[in-house]
Amino acid sequence: RKEVEQDPGPFNVPEGATVAFNCTYSNSASQSFFWYRQDCRKEPKLLMSVYSSGNEDGRFTAQLNRASQYISLLIRDSKLSDSATYLCVVPGGSYIPTFGRGTSLIVHP
Amino acid sequence: DAGITQSPRYKITETGRQVTLMCHQTWSHSYMFWYRQDLGHGLRLIYYSAAADITDKGEVPDGYVVSRSKTENFPLTLESATRSQTSVYFCASTEETNTQYFGPGTRLTVL
Repeated sequence: RKEVEQDPGPFNVPEGATVAFNCTYSNSASQSFFWYRQDCRKEPKLLMSVYSSGNEDGRFTAQLNRASQYISLLIRDSKLSDSATYLCVVPGGSYIPTFGRGTSLIVHP
Repeated sequence: DAGITQSPRYKITETGRQVTLMCHQTWSHSYMFWYRQDLGHGLRLIYYSAAADITDKGEVPDGYVVSRSKTENFPLTLESATRSQTSVYFCASTEETNTQYFGPGTRLTVL
């Protein structure tokens, strides 16, 4: 099993839709998790962190399921500007993270 | 507040040439990282550094050399560039948290 796995997509949704991505991880010792957003040909930027059961920030909700070893990202009321690639990140030792390959989201009018 | 910068932003070079990519951060973060990003592979760690004069290999270090004589700088050198090193290179830093801050990237083409 790969350390961090994501469905590459693309997820193609209309504006206003709700969309969810999952990310599975193999290191059961991981305590914190992150979602980064990456726009085309630009650097990744932190979107949300997930330290316990979940985190909510406006239209974005991140949840952690330790028993099944996955984290999820839910986006409500999708905007055109949400179109991007969403990277799941699981930290390791020495602050070295493992990045998933990303899930591509396309929001269309 | 410049944060973390990379130079050059774009570089075209030829096989066999030596190329150095620069990374500079203004936060005095202890940890710095170099990644390459290719289609189908995601971000892969090349080298990282926990502090000045402390560096270590990541997942794909072959063909690359790093140094860190000052906390704020972390240059990456391709000693003899190959076509397989055509990629987008990102530098990142963190201050003993798990949140990484990325530079804008360098797009390198090796002909």
